[in-house]
Amino acid sequence: KAGVTQTPRYLIKTRGQQVTLSCSPISGHRSVSWYQQTPGQGLQFLFEYFSETQRNKGNFPGRFSGRQFSNSRSEMNVSTLELGDSALYLCASSLSASGSSYEQYFGPGTRLTVT
Amino acid sequence: QKEVEQNSGPLSVPEGAIASLNCTYSDRGSQSFFWYRQYSGKSPELIMFIYSNGDKEDGRFTAQLNKASQYVSLLIRDSQPSDSATYLCAVRNSGGSNYKLTFGKGTLLTVNP
Repeated sequence: KAGVTQTPRYLIKTRGQQVTLSCSPISGHRSVSWYQQTPGQGLQFLFEYFSETQRNKGNFPGRFSGRQFSNSRSEMNVSTLELGDSALYLCASSLSASGSSYEQYFGPGTRLTVT
Repeated sequence: QKEVEQNSGPLSVPEGAIASLNCTYSDRGSQSFFWYRQYSGKSPELIMFIYSNGDKEDGRFTAQLNKASQYVSLLIRDSQPSDSATYLCAVRNSGGSNYKLTFGKGTLLTVNP
């Protein structure tokens, strides 16, 4: 099975711009979670989608949003970029089926640099 | 705030030794526990998960869970230089937010040849 794919892998944006990141989960996985990873804060949960519905949201401002499509692919959007948004953005997919352990598998990430 | 704490490290062990990585969590109702390995510049890779008290072994890796003490550990036997990485402990919390994982800050392990 192919793993989780994320595009683009690298991105440089200017403060105030917006950005859209894409994630395709492992085939058959219906849950997609997004995380932000920075050296200071570690891995922080952004949100999780299952069957096109957001089930959980982390403590991030409303500038961070996401969505999931009927084929389970997901996008996240960050508007009005700030310097502090520079980070590695990771997508993780999970089968999320009843009786499973809900283990998550990460994609390679998108490295966002805001200048 | 549901927290996950890991021994701060860095941890340095000689090749062939046992590396012991520790993690404690604050949410007593936590259900599943995961260990990820992250090489520098790469994304986290799932290496083990455990949800029942006791030990779970997979090759050179053993995960240990003690829910009464709210403690989970990872032992790496016969450590190899290729094991040098940051190890992240993650916990699936109880309650309404049980579809997300809370991560510790990680422990950097260096295995010296």
